[in-house]
Amino acid sequence: GNSVTQMEGPVTLSEEAFLTINCTYTATGYPSLFWYVQYPGEGLQLLLKATKADDKGSNKGFEATYRKETTSFHLEKGSVQVSDSAVYFCALRENRDDKIIFGKGTRLHILP
Amino acid sequence: EPEVTQTPSHQVTQMGQEVILRCVPISNHLYFYWYRQILGQKVEFLVSFYNNEISEKSEIFDDQFSVERPDGSNFTLKIRSTKLEDSAMYFCASSMTLNYNEQFFGPGTRLTVL
Repeated sequence: GNSVTQMEGPVTLSEEAFLTINCTYTATGYPSLFWYVQYPGEGLQLLLKATKADDKGSNKGFEATYRKETTSFHLEKGSVQVSDSAVYFCALRENRDDKIIFGKGTRLHILP
Repeated sequence: EPEVTQTPSHQVTQMGQEVILRCVPISNHLYFYWYRQILGQKVEFLVSFYNNEISEKSEIFDDQFSVERPDGSNFTLKIRSTKLEDSAMYFCASSMTLNYNEQFFGPGTRLTVL
């Protein structure tokens, strides 16, 4: 079945460091891919998405490219801030399917 | 900005009791969802609801679970007889359409079954 695997956390970085959170997926069709973020005490918010191969999603300085050949959707940011501290979830949804399938989440701590 | 709201934020109940988790989706959305996250595990899909009926459900969503849209604004998840393993964070979500559309999530209800 479909699944999402992302790197274990927690990830701790200093402010202005480069961030990569790895995500790979298994899908039978051609899914849309997402990164959701959960700030402390809040719900899941869509951070960015890509709906087909080679699409790049971007938002708030974060980027991820839909790589069909490696079935990956790694999240990157060039210079992280303390306010980026949160839990990040990689996810997919097959076309015409209701459900979103999530990875386990990666907790990110940014130190000032 | 419109948002999905959920009440209560935290519910504590005794094993075997019934609980109802409440959600108010975004007002012009047509699709509604429940997900749950057991502590330290993945966020898992439970059920989707459209046009006053369940459109998809997971194997987790057994006979002890039910969903309802009792009026034009609320969307509820009922757990008939709670078990210890039902302790989790429950997220409600809504979307305007199905394909390619973002699902907007609420802040969650933490359910603790003692």
